[in-house]
Amino acid sequence: GAVVSQHPSRVICKSGTSVKIECRSLDFQATTMFWYRQFPKKSLMLMATSNEGSKATYEQGVEKDKFLINHASLTLSTLTVTSAHPEDSSFYICSAPISGRGNNEQFFGPGTRLTVL
Amino acid sequence: GDSVTQMEGPVTLSEEAFLTINCTYTATGYPSLFWYVQYPGEGLQLLLKATKADDKGSNKGFEATYRKETTSFHLEKGSVQVSDSAVYFCALKDGGSTLGRLYFGRGTQLTVWP
Repeated sequence: GAVVSQHPSRVICKSGTSVKIECRSLDFQATTMFWYRQFPKKSLMLMATSNEGSKATYEQGVEKDKFLINHASLTLSTLTVTSAHPEDSSFYICSAPISGRGNNEQFFGPGTRLTVL
Repeated sequence: GDSVTQMEGPVTLSEEAFLTINCTYTATGYPSLFWYVQYPGEGLQLLLKATKADDKGSNKGFEATYRKETTSFHLEKGSVQVSDSAVYFCALKDGGSTLGRLYFGRGTQLTVWP
């Protein structure tokens, strides 16, 4: 099946610094990618929809200036957590659907564990 | 709006026991329904899906039937194995969206003991 990778898998940073997380579709092109945040023992919360060549669409309550999303190519979307704080510590997951697939399947990356000290 | 309510865990079973994880949904229109599985340290993987009422999705011995009358999509397996230990997520996608977002339940942790 299709593969989505994320890098890094784990990152620890100091409060106030910025962290960039990459999401790549390895064997297919993705005009749309989704960024989720997963809290312990809670569901995945959609943060934003990343659109290649245009601005991301953010969900209500998600600060677009804090969580910068760039979808620079058909295989890469990046999420930058700016001026990170301990409350930003979480598991961030991206996914990408394959356009044209009748089964509407989405493929998920393995996730990035962010810890802000 | 669209939402998914999933049975809370954790669920602990002995090997070969019967498994049911309940999932109900609220949606306008005709959503597609999914079960995803997340093994320790890995990303979510699609386990099975159903796109219309009365469809039954099945994979690896797991089954779920799309019940419109009860707005449910319960996951079942007749005989679980230790390797089935994982977190299971029920999800829906709005029927009117081709590349749309998924709405997830909270996830149910399943642990199977030998």
